[in-house]
Amino acid sequence: SYMLTQPPSVSVAPGQTARITCGGNNIGGISVHWYQQKPGQAPVLVVYDDSDRPSGIPERFSGSNSGNTATLTISRVEVEDEADYYCQVWDSTGSVVFGGGTKLTV
Amino acid sequence: QITLKESGPTLVKPTQTLTLTCTFSGFSLSTSGVGVGWIRQPPGKALEWLALIHGDDDKRYRPSLKSRLTITKDTSKNQVVLTLTNMDPVDTGTYYCAHRQIGDSLIFDLWGQGTMVTVSS
Repeated sequence: SYMLTQPPSVSVAPGQTARITCGGNNIGGISVHWYQQKPGQAPVLVVYDDSDRPSGIPERFSGSNSGNTATLTISRVEVEDEADYYCQVWDSTGSVVFGGGTKLTV
Repeated sequence: QITLKESGPTLVKPTQTLTLTCTFSGFSLSTSGVGVGWIRQPPGKALEWLALIHGDDDKRYRPSLKSRLTITKDTSKNQVVLTLTNMDPVDTGTYYCAHRQIGDSLIFDLWGQGTMVTVSS
């Protein structure tokens, strides 16, 4: 089955830019979605179809996808952005696949 | 406004069958392209997709758990039911249901609050 690889943790200072990667074989050819999960809460969709934002999500959240790596970029990071982030795809077999998650520390 | 809420037992014994219900509002599961999925999360671990059902009754299952999973819908009650047989302590975790957004991509745009299930004798 398709596998997605994320770094376990990323650390960034407030005001800086955080980049969280999601690796997969030719992931650039499929749509990638990103979810934010804060402790004790349900996941929230922050980026879909590689780079689109749902309404209500700050413009500081953006995404890109090419080759074997998709990237979630958070600009001007705020303390409230500290959370776990998961990438997700729909693979060629019809299965939903999540990455292992990345803990963002601000 | 779309909302989803999970309900079911908080504690099950090994070998028992888990039955969880997702009760939703704000959309109809008889609409083509709409779906409801189940995703679980063991304590301190990553999200794990389990199953998905669409308005046309198309069903998808996690391959490694397919033999143990059943997903059904009751359109009149706005509910989706997930059953997982032969429960084991490794099945302990928070179980979420989520709304699949209409479109070409499979996106879970709204999630329930989750329900914690512990498997223990």
